[in-house]
Amino acid sequence: GQNIDQPTEMTATEGAIVQINCTYQTSGFNGLFWYQQHAGEAPTFLSYNVLDGLEEKGRFSSFLSRSKGYSYLLLKELQMKDSASYLCAVFIPNGNKLVFGAGTILRVKS
Amino acid sequence: DADVTQTPRNRITKTGKRIMLECSQTKGHDRMYWYRQDPGLGLRLIYYSFDVKDINKGEISDGYSVSRQAQAKFSLSLESAIPNQTALYFCATEPSGRGTGELFFGEGSRLTVL
Repeated sequence: GQNIDQPTEMTATEGAIVQINCTYQTSGFNGLFWYQQHAGEAPTFLSYNVLDGLEEKGRFSSFLSRSKGYSYLLLKELQMKDSASYLCAVFIPNGNKLVFGAGTILRVKS
Repeated sequence: DADVTQTPRNRITKTGKRIMLECSQTKGHDRMYWYRQDPGLGLRLIYYSFDVKDINKGEISDGYSVSRQAQAKFSLSLESAIPNQTALYFCATEPSGRGTGELFFGEGSRLTVL
């Protein structure tokens, strides 16, 4: 089976930095993805890691360690609009499909 | 206009009724997916298709069926709806040849089964 774990909820302050962790145990691995989903809306792609290390994209960065089955999404200079659910997902080569974690609800307070 | 369009956006129905959710896309992508989303469970894959007439079961296909008669359309059917199929359903597309997992989602169809 596939197991992808992330915290259920987090709260952070506007302007701060927050790190959302994701651990995974899957039958195969071909990349780790982060999606953002605002309440009542569709998920949208944020980032993709297939090799170990840090990928930076503006205020958002994503890190991957394949040996540890671990990733995190780092959000800097938090804004109120960053309040959303953040979904960690692993691409499984057997079947070529994306398997999602339950998501982390991030609340940004002023 | 949205590139991935789902209809209906909201539907309330009764147990035992047949329901069809439609998905159409203008992105020209070969790969299409149906997910359902439940609070605390995240997105779970129901069915997926990599080409016209290609159908593959996902994690939770029981009680559902799909049809891919054209590249742009992927329909999800509930032959006899039951209350635990109440959920938010998302259709998604992905370009073929990349397999990178970057999906493009529709706006969702909220289904309530009474």
